[in-house]
Amino acid sequence: KQEVTQIPAALSVPEGENLVLNCSFTDSAIYNLQWFRQDPGKGLTSLLLIQSSQREQTSGRLNASLDKSSGRSTLYIAASQPGDSATYLCAVGGYQGGSEKLVFGKGTKLTVNP
Amino acid sequence: KAGVTQTPRYLIKTRGQQVTLSCSPISGHRSVSWYQQTPGQGLQFLFEYFSETQRNKGNFPGRFSGRQFSNSRSEMNVSTLELGDSALYLCASNFIPGLGTQEQFFGPGTRLTVL
Repeated sequence: KQEVTQIPAALSVPEGENLVLNCSFTDSAIYNLQWFRQDPGKGLTSLLLIQSSQREQTSGRLNASLDKSSGRSTLYIAASQPGDSATYLCAVGGYQGGSEKLVFGKGTKLTVNP
Repeated sequence: KAGVTQTPRYLIKTRGQQVTLSCSPISGHRSVSWYQQTPGQGLQFLFEYFSETQRNKGNFPGRFSGRQFSNSRSEMNVSTLELGDSALYLCASNFIPGLGTQEQFFGPGTRLTVL
């Protein structure tokens, strides 16, 4: 059974700092890994999607890496801003137990202080 | 292009009642999936529909059901509501099915409170 863990559960940093969010998963047989952002009480906004054959994806100040063999992904945020404050979720897509699955971690709540 | 829309955005119900939530996918998308998000359990998959057929189902009791219409709009229904059903219900869509293989685009969610 796929399990996704995100550490830390919460992170507080000063504005301008570079930071890394971590995501680990137990089953390396995945199709992709997706990072989302969720603002309080809102839906999910897709940030980056990494296919299993890729090692990383970049979008603006965001860079996500994937190491399937070790079951890890990181989301790097450069020059953090107060507007980056949100909960960041990673989700692993795969096929298990006869059906497709998208398994989410519980997220890292990021606070960027001005 | 408009995003995924969900109605209503907020609902308050009492135990034992039933509720129907609606999701309209991005124009052209034919796959719709539903998720429940609670503080304790996080995001959990409910079911996925494509071309009016349920493709995948999560591990939820039969009180949770769904359907998809020919225009790809989807509804989910929860009968005999329990306090533990209080959650944010999220809908996601994609052009083609592939719960674990395709990028998912989420709506803003419906916040259900059961009293």
